[in-house]
Amino acid sequence: AQSVSQHNHHVILSEAASLELGCNYSYGGTVNLFWYVQYPGQHLQLLLKYFSGDPLVKGIKGFEAEFIKSKFSFNLRKPSVQWSDTAEYFCAVNARGAGNKLTFGGGTRVLVKP
Amino acid sequence: NAGVTQTPKFRVLKTGQSMTLLCAQDMNHEYMYWYRQDPGMGLRLIHYSVGEGTTAKGEVPDGYNVSRLKKQNFLLGLESAAPSQTSVYFCASSATGTRNNEQFFGPGTRLTVL
Repeated sequence: AQSVSQHNHHVILSEAASLELGCNYSYGGTVNLFWYVQYPGQHLQLLLKYFSGDPLVKGIKGFEAEFIKSKFSFNLRKPSVQWSDTAEYFCAVNARGAGNKLTFGGGTRVLVKP
Repeated sequence: NAGVTQTPKFRVLKTGQSMTLLCAQDMNHEYMYWYRQDPGMGLRLIHYSVGEGTTAKGEVPDGYNVSRLKKQNFLLGLESAAPSQTSVYFCASSATGTRNNEQFFGPGTRLTVL
């Protein structure tokens, strides 16, 4: 069974700082990759997704992620964060052949100080 | 469109009580899912359904039952609640067939079992 690891459980940074959140998965086959965000008190929303093609994926709100197949990684980045980016971020993987089921990482709580 | 809705939003149960959580979606999605979210563990799949009248076990199905009598509804039941089932429960849905879909999430139900 596949698993997803997010290295940082908590990240604290100041506005305008750059953000990078790590995500690694364990599955040898073809995967679809997702980053979801959960703002305080809200439900999960899709930030971006990768299915195929250009490994550098751009999402909403200035976020991007890079799929590095050789490293089984799909790290999330934002060059300059805002206070409104305070949220919990989840990486998720769908292994081809596993139906539409998603396996989630444990999440990373990001606090952006104004 | 309301998307994915869940009722109730909050519930407190005593050990041994039963309850049903209701999920409804108006996007005509074939697939529906129930997750539980616990701190540091991300979202874990409880049960899912690939169509009306079908259900299947996910990662953590013990202590839960589900039913999908109508395409738009997916019910999660707890027959005899236990404190270990204190969690936030999220329902999600996704379109059928394609491997390139995303899951759309409801607002969650916060359940406390005393």
